[in-house]
Amino acid sequence: DIVMTQTPLSSPVTLGQPASISCRSSQSLVSGDGNTYLSWHQQRPGQPPRLLIYKISNRFSGVPDRFSGSGAGTDFTLKISRVEAEDVGVYYCTQATQLPYTFGQGTKLEIK
Amino acid sequence: QVQLQESGPGLVKPSGTLSLTCAVSGGSISSTNWWTWVRQPPGKGLEWIGEIYHSGSTNYNPSLESRVTISVDKSDNQFSLKLNSVTAADTAVYYCARSSGSYTGGVDYWGQGTLVTVSS
Repeated sequence: DIVMTQTPLSSPVTLGQPASISCRSSQSLVSGDGNTYLSWHQQRPGQPPRLLIYKISNRFSGVPDRFSGSGAGTDFTLKISRVEAEDVGVYYCTQATQLPYTFGQGTKLEIK
Repeated sequence: QVQLQESGPGLVKPSGTLSLTCAVSGGSISSTNWWTWVRQPPGKGLEWIGEIYHSGSTNYNPSLESRVTISVDKSDNQFSLKLNSVTAADTAVYYCARSSGSYTGGVDYWGQGTLVTVSS
């Protein structure tokens, strides 16, 4: 199985300041079709997860442009340009390049 | 926009079978998507259980494969999960979800989730 490792596991951030979460995979996530199936999901407290970013850097429908994704191969980053109160929650990276699909441990974003 | 809703018993006895159904609305289960189950033990992270295509083709997590069956009911636009020989370790919130194949890769829409507790 591909292991997804996120850092940090907890990130206290000041409102209005940027935040960054890293995700590293144990193998390259480049698929045979040339795509890299790395996504980011946000889970607010008491809510189901929600897709934010797919294929490294594409924002899903309705996702604010303060969220951005980058990376390649085995190293990926989710950035929030200016953290807002509604961004509090746990963020998961996930890969859908190789079965079984796997998730990172999650990074808890909280306000200082 | 597609919506997914899980239903099923919230309490299952140890060694019994967990059975959940996911109703899909706002889209056809016969579309070019995979229909997925993911679970989350209380206070923990997400675990992919498996997926099914409308043709009946399935993929399962090897860690659960011996106990899991996912099936599809095209006439009712829903799909189901069965997990047998459950233990307390199977207590979790179970989410059904849609995976859109090569468009987004992986899950793009999630259900609200349903808590299943394994206890006597």
